[in-house]
Amino acid sequence: GAVVSQHPSRVICKSGTSVKIECRSLDFQATTMFWYRQFPKKSLMLMATSNEGSKATYEQGVEKDKFLINHASLTLSTLTVTSAHPEDSSFYICSAQPTSGGSNEQFFGPGTRLTVL
Amino acid sequence: QKEVEQNSGPLSVPEGAIASLNCTYSDRGSQSFFWYRQYSGKSPELIMFIYSNGDKEDGRFTAQLNKASQYVSLLIRDSQPSDSATYLCAVNPSSGGSNYKLTFGKGTLLTVNP
Repeated sequence: GAVVSQHPSRVICKSGTSVKIECRSLDFQATTMFWYRQFPKKSLMLMATSNEGSKATYEQGVEKDKFLINHASLTLSTLTVTSAHPEDSSFYICSAQPTSGGSNEQFFGPGTRLTVL
Repeated sequence: QKEVEQNSGPLSVPEGAIASLNCTYSDRGSQSFFWYRQYSGKSPELIMFIYSNGDKEDGRFTAQLNKASQYVSLLIRDSQPSDSATYLCAVNPSSGGSNYKLTFGKGTLLTVNP
């Protein structure tokens, strides 16, 4: 149980294009999902908290107009990197927190490796 | 600022030994604590969580929590080369049912030598 998927697993795009990353909880519902970014050999950095049916909460320094988050259902959140540039190249990882159960573990997706040329 | 501190390592142990990973946190109100394992190039995988003071065992893994001293540790018994990874400590300020974000440490790189 507690499986989270991400799609795509890897994407290469040209500078200036937009990239959409999907995060799905496969066997549980998640009112809250989180989006992280990790640069090589660096720690996980929380970008935003995604809440189903409401606006995402962004961490300080993260541009909400550049990283668009939509959490339209209890099993799906999407992150769109708009007008991507080479400095946006990173490993993007989502996590999902089960709505039921009373605990607050986060289960991570396998990540999406974005390369912007 | 709420912080979670870990020794970055690398921590190197021989196969079969006990690996001890430590983590301290600054927010005294923290209620729940998690250990994640991250292999190179992969996303984190939840190993254990602990809410109460004392020890919690799951197979070869034991999590230890001391809220008074604000530290949490992870022991890995009979370490195997496949345990070689970065271990992330994560702290959440509340227990049960709320969508609080985790604060992660920078991780400790563990190497188990055959």
